[in-house]
Amino acid sequence: KQEVTQIPAALSVPEGENLVLNCSFTDSAIYNLQWFRQDPGKGLTSLLLIQSSQREQTSGRLNASLDKSSGRSTLYIAASQPGDSATYLCATRSQGGSEKLVFGKGTKLTVNP
Amino acid sequence: DAGITQSPRHKVTETGTPVTLRCHQTENHRYMYWYRQDPGHGLRLIHYSYGVKDTDKGEVSDGYSVSRSKTEDFLLTLESATSSQTSVYFCAISGSSWGAGELFFGEGSRLTVL
Repeated sequence: KQEVTQIPAALSVPEGENLVLNCSFTDSAIYNLQWFRQDPGKGLTSLLLIQSSQREQTSGRLNASLDKSSGRSTLYIAASQPGDSATYLCATRSQGGSEKLVFGKGTKLTVNP
Repeated sequence: DAGITQSPRHKVTETGTPVTLRCHQTENHRYMYWYRQDPGHGLRLIHYSYGVKDTDKGEVSDGYSVSRSKTEDFLLTLESATSSQTSVYFCAISGSSWGAGELFFGEGSRLTVL
């Protein structure tokens, strides 16, 4: 059974810092991996989707990498801003295109002005 | 904006009463999902649908039923609500025809069962 872990559960950084959020998974046979952000009281916003054949994806100041062999993905945020404060979640989908995503419990990021 | 609307956004009900949550999409996507989000458990799949009248169970389906009579609407019903079903419920759609694509979420429905 796939398990997805995000450590740390919370992270506080000063504005302008480059930072890395971690996502690890136990079963490397994934079809894709998706990163989301969630603001308090809101739904999940999709940030990046990485297919199993890809090593990384970029969107603006965000860069997500995928290393299936080690069961890890990282989300790199460049030049962090207070508006980046949110909870970031990752989720994996198993090979075969399973309908079931397995979510991590998220990392709550606070960017201090 | 993924064109997903959930209703109601907030509901308080009493134990034993039936509750129906509605998810409406404007994207004409085939796959739709219901998740619940709870502290300490994260997001868990309740049920999903892969077409009109085609549904399947997720990992926490007990006590829930779903229906999909139109492509755009996916209903989640709690036949007899219990306090353990107090949660935030999210609807999601898959941005691909085969269901393994990018997932987009609605704003959530907060349900409190007293």
